[in-house]
Formats: sequence, structure tokens, C-alpha cells
Amino acid sequence: GESVGLHLPTLSVQEGDNSIINCAYSNSASDYFIWYKQESGKGPQFIIDIRSNMDKRQGQRVTVLLNKTVKHLSLQIAATQPGDSAVYFCAEGKGDSWGKLQFGAGTQVVVTP
Amino acid sequence: DSGVTQTPKHLITATGQRVTLRCSPRSGDLSVYWYQQSLDQGLQFLIQYYNGEERAKGNILERFSAQQFPDLHSELNLSSLELGDSALYFCASSQRGGQPQHFGDGTRLSIL
Repeated sequence: GESVGLHLPTLSVQEGDNSIINCAYSNSASDYFIWYKQESGKGPQFIIDIRSNMDKRQGQRVTVLLNKTVKHLSLQIAATQPGDSAVYFCAEGKGDSWGKLQFGAGTQVVVTP
Repeated sequence: DSGVTQTPKHLITATGQRVTLRCSPRSGDLSVYWYQQSLDQGLQFLIQYYNGEERAKGNILERFSAQQFPDLHSELNLSSLELGDSALYFCASSQRGGQPQHFGDGTRLSIL
């Protein structure tokens, strides 16, 4: 697949289990954070975002948690499915320049049956 | 299908050459973003246009330029190509100038 870097951290998850993907961000002044999913041969796909004034946001089968104290972001995927296998990126940005995102290195998630 | 179309899918060329990558945003989207994804640098923001005007600039080399046309499609021009320019180039679009929500499947550029 189209992986970023030769040594992406990998998370192996059994189908049906919950996944937790972690991300440490760098800029305490970032206004918002986004999680993207990138499948092999595809472009990044927007999953969920969260603003810096929130601690938690839920979507369909996904929850993002933000801990500004330690500059940590996590994405929880409930009942992981084979279709969830992909590289997941966190990205941070500021409201004065929405497109100027700073992406993390990514985490490869492998779902096993 | 994100609705963002990028052409060509693959491009193979030589050092010193010039190429043009094309992006058609999702219907109704006014903003276009360009990103470079390489093995050593990961995903890097290059430039953003909104309704024909440059909105934000990232780590885009002087050898690279872009524009957004009145029909909202965008082109990224890469010149004096070097081996290190080999990468995937993604275009994304959004309705206004917010976060890039819809990415194309990229153009893979290989410099020989």
C-alpha cells in the first residue's frame, strides 16, 4: 500500500475488538485536529475532527479524544472491521489557515480475522 | 469516490523536465489544496486556492507553482525536476476555505 515512511508503527487488532490509535501533536496553539484514513492506492479520507475547545467528539463507530495538557490525541474505533485496515493520520491546524495542516507520520492498522 | 479527479494517475519523467498535474475539485467546492506525500517527509501541505485566489502557502519550492482557473480546476506545475521530487501528489477540495475534506487518489510522479 501507499505507506508513509519505512517504519510506520503498526497496530494489529482482531476483528470485532476496539482499536485505539494514538497521536502526539506538536503545536499547543493548534485550533483543530483531524483524523484521516488512507487505504492502499487511495487518497486520505476525512474521518472526524475536533476543535481545541473540546475534549471528546463522537462519530459513527469512532470517538476522538483530545488531551491538551499532554498534547495527545486518540482515535477509538469500535468493533473494528476488516475494512478499517489502513494507515491513519492525525493532522493539526490553525483557524487562520485551514488547509495548512501538519500531518503526523501515520499508524498502520491491520485487522485480523 | 471522493468526487475529486486527478490526472494523470502516473507520470514518469527525467530530471530537469517539467510536468503539470491537474485536479478537478468536487462539484461545488471552491477551495483546492495540494499536498505532497513522500516516504521520508510524509504528507506535506504545498498550497491552497480559494475561488481562484491563493489562500495559503506551505513548504512549496520555488520550482513549483500552481493556479486555479475560473472553472475551479487547478494545476500544479513542477519544473527543473530532481530525483527528490518523486512522490505522490494529492489534491483535495472543500466547499469553502475550511479543512480539506475530499482528497483525490493522487498522481504518482517518478523521476528517473
